[in-house]
Amino acid sequence: NAGVTQTPKFQVLKTGQSMTLQCAQDMNHEYMSWYRQDPGMGLRLIHYSVGAGITDQGEVPNGYNVSRSTTEDFPLRLLSAAPSQTSVYFCASRRQPYSNQPQHFGDGTRLSIL
Amino acid sequence: DQQVKQNSPSLSVQEGRISILNCDYTNSMFDYFLWYKKYPAEGPTFLISISSIKDKNEDGRFTVFLNKSAKHLSLHIVPSQPGDSAVYFCAAAGREGTSGSRLTFGEGTQLTVNP
Repeated sequence: NAGVTQTPKFQVLKTGQSMTLQCAQDMNHEYMSWYRQDPGMGLRLIHYSVGAGITDQGEVPNGYNVSRSTTEDFPLRLLSAAPSQTSVYFCASRRQPYSNQPQHFGDGTRLSIL
Repeated sequence: DQQVKQNSPSLSVQEGRISILNCDYTNSMFDYFLWYKKYPAEGPTFLISISSIKDKNEDGRFTVFLNKSAKHLSLHIVPSQPGDSAVYFCAAAGREGTSGSRLTFGEGTQLTVNP
């Protein structure tokens, strides 16, 4: 049982480049979300999805796009990378959208923007 | 503004003693609280939770206490073990229809348990 899988684990980009962080879950969870973790700031919600075809903005959405074409996948796109987007990114999923069930997290993608 | 705050960035305790991690929140619409544990190079993993209708929830060595009037919760680990050394995040969720599904996290506290 793979759970939540994130790829790549590490990535270095130059300012202005674009890239997609991949997230896949094999638990048939409806709710998926992306967080970024920065020192002294905890985890901040970027975007989330309550089901295929439905996405919404979180706390820090600027500079990021998402889509949810399938239940399993929830990619995060950086259209034009900026040094302020250097961070560790975590994808998470939960079985039901409106629920207090705990979220399952992937192991993260460490992204550096030069 | 930081709606969930963990004011202690780090905590060091001796093996076998009690570890107490604290968390404060400001949003009165939060009604469910969770603690996550995170090891380096791994994602956070769920530890324990508590609903606002309770003031205590216990699971083995871990107990979470909630003081709604003070908007304060704490995680007690007894006895502490070296394997408990990790970053602990407090998180809060609101009622469906408000912030609903969304979790708001604190900054985290690095717990170190010394042998």
